[in-house]
Amino acid sequence: GAVVSQHPSRVICKSGTSVKIECRSLDFQATTMFWYRQFPKKSLMLMATSNEGSKATYEQGVEKDKFLINHASLTLSTLTVTSAHPEDSSFYICSARDLALSYNEQFFGPGTRLTVL
Amino acid sequence: GQNIDQPTEMTATEGAIVQINCTYQTSGFNGLFWYQQHAGEAPTFLSYNVLDGLEEKGRFSSFLSRSKGYSYLLLKELQMKDSASYLCAVMDSNYQLIWGAGTKLIIKP
Repeated sequence: GAVVSQHPSRVICKSGTSVKIECRSLDFQATTMFWYRQFPKKSLMLMATSNEGSKATYEQGVEKDKFLINHASLTLSTLTVTSAHPEDSSFYICSARDLALSYNEQFFGPGTRLTVL
Repeated sequence: GQNIDQPTEMTATEGAIVQINCTYQTSGFNGLFWYQQHAGEAPTFLSYNVLDGLEEKGRFSSFLSRSKGYSYLLLKELQMKDSASYLCAVMDSNYQLIWGAGTKLIIKP
C-alpha cells in the first residue's frame, strides 16, 4: 500500500515552455502533498506544501508564479513549471502524507527529471 | 536555525558493518526518519524513531537519543546493492521534514 506515482518520469523541453508534472496517490487519500527539487549530489529541498482544496504554502525563495501547484483532489496534485529556463533543470519529487497513519510518514513518488534546453 | 548534520561520504567493505551518524537541532521534534536513495531515484523509507532506543529491522537498525539530538543508522552484512545515499530527516513541531544533505555510502568488494 501507500504508492505514489509521478508523471512524466522524464521530460525535455525548450526554454520558455511550460511543463506540468502530476503526482498521484494510488491507494490512499493524501491530505497533504509536498513538492521537492533536488540538484545533483544535494539533499531534497522542499519547494511547497499543498493541502487538498487550499492554496499551496511556498518555501522562502520559491516563486509561486513560476511553480504553480494545484491540489484539486485527495489523490492528485500538479506542479507546473511556467516559462521554464535551463536553471529549472532538476529532479522534482513529490511526496504524499496520509494523516490516518500513525506517524505522518511521507510516501515518495519516483521523481521527474526535467531538462530545459 | 534548524540543522541536520551527517557525514558526506563513507566507504565500507562488502559483508562488514557500517554506522552512519546524524545529529540534529530543530524547533520541536516529532520523529526522525532514515531514507535510502539510489542515484536518480526517489528516497525510500527505511526507519522511523520517535522514542529513545534502538529499532531493528532486518539488516538495518536505527538508534535515537533525543537528549543528545543524535541518531545513527546501522547497516549489517553489507551488500553491494546497499551503495546509495542515506538521508536523515527530522519532523519538526510543524510536522515538516527537515532534511540532512545525505551520506553517500560506497561499498567495496
